[in-house]
Amino acid sequence: NAGVTQTPKFQVLKTGQSMTLQCAQDMNHEYMSWYRQDPGMGLRLIHYSVGAGITDQGEVPNGYNVSRSTTEDFPLRLLSAAPSQTSVYFCASSYSYRAANTEAFFGQGTRLTVV
Amino acid sequence: AQTVTQSQPEMSVQEAETVTLSCTYDTSENNYYLFWYKQPPSRQMILVIRQEAYKQQNATENRFSVNFQKAAKSFSLKISDSQLGDTAMYFCAFAETSGSRLTFGEGTQLTVNP
Repeated sequence: NAGVTQTPKFQVLKTGQSMTLQCAQDMNHEYMSWYRQDPGMGLRLIHYSVGAGITDQGEVPNGYNVSRSTTEDFPLRLLSAAPSQTSVYFCASSYSYRAANTEAFFGQGTRLTVV
Repeated sequence: AQTVTQSQPEMSVQEAETVTLSCTYDTSENNYYLFWYKQPPSRQMILVIRQEAYKQQNATENRFSVNFQKAAKSFSLKISDSQLGDTAMYFCAFAETSGSRLTFGEGTQLTVNP
């Protein structure tokens, strides 16, 4: 009963480095999304996907790429890390792309520090 | 675009007492959903309660209930008989019925004191 699995849980990057945050769900959910959480700002949507092969930008997409080649996986790529990308990142999934109809399940988050 | 505002960054309550967390939102939609999520120190996001805008009856889940005032665009969370395990960050969130995204408020850090 894994739910949504994010790896790694913690990461330190140097400015300019690239990396991929992994997200996998085993619930056959069609909708997946990435958020970043910053103090005093809540969670802000980075990118989302309504199904395999379909992705779209959220509120704060700059500096991030995503792809959705399978229903299960939705990796988030940081192309060239910047200190402004220091944050806690959450992956979430829900059964339907109509988020309102179904509960969103979240991973345990990745704390990323860019130095 | 929808916005969600939580004006109380921090709150505290004594164990067994009642506390109310505030949330206001702005939207031009007539039908939508509102949520309260809890984030304990483990960072895990947990759905606490959900309200459908077209339902006038306030949602309740055990010790958690909401006061939904659609005209005022207000959606407060009441926690009765507070327990130490209720200590967490609480987020209010909004979703359109036809949309694909959640819009979150800034969060309220609740501390339950023994």
